[in-house]
Amino acid sequence: QKEVEQDPGPLSVPEGAIVSLNCTYSNSAFQYFMWYRQYSRKGPELLMYTYSSGNKEDGRFTAQVDKSSKYISLFIRDSQPSDSATYLCAMSAHGTGTASKLTFGTGTRLQVTL
Amino acid sequence: GAGVSQSPSNKVTEKGKDVELRCDPISGHTALYWYRQSLGQGLEFLIYFQGNSAPDKSGLPSDRFSAERTGGSVSTLTIQRTQQEDSAVYLCASSLVGSAQETQYFGPGTRLLVL
Repeated sequence: QKEVEQDPGPLSVPEGAIVSLNCTYSNSAFQYFMWYRQYSRKGPELLMYTYSSGNKEDGRFTAQVDKSSKYISLFIRDSQPSDSATYLCAMSAHGTGTASKLTFGTGTRLQVTL
Repeated sequence: GAGVSQSPSNKVTEKGKDVELRCDPISGHTALYWYRQSLGQGLEFLIYFQGNSAPDKSGLPSDRFSAERTGGSVSTLTIQRTQQEDSAVYLCASSLVGSAQETQYFGPGTRLLVL
């Protein structure tokens, strides 16, 4: 069983919809939770990160972490066609950068249609 | 350039040949990471460099894989005697040394196809 599970999709939604993307994990040592966005034939780029439990909001994006359930979510409000990409969750016990071996989910492919 | 660059962008090779993949991190970034992205498998950590040394090479899948970094900058990932299962996108990332809350910046990757 993988340490991080993520539904690969694809997920297709109409423009303006609220999108919910989720990951579950099994390693209790994970403290840092990240969401990356990856456009086709590009490298992943960090969207948001959260330390421990709680919510974090940045514009149309909200990240939630529920450590008791080992469940994290990314919500996208008022989705736009430019949001069409693969969204990867990533987790680490030690941080987001230096010396931090990130464990990634497989990614969920999102398509926002006009 | 401002970002992480990788070369070549695409590589097709025959089974059994050796390949070298190159990564140029963002200038001034002392930490460098290699990941592998296979279809349906997500990103898989391979190796981490701090300067020229590799404190964590636990993700290298076999002794056919090796990596080095010289001058605290450019890194090369070498795969010897390539196998078809080595076909994947190899991604490099770099980050500053300073705090745990740093961002890993990824390059566009090298797409390797082993025939």
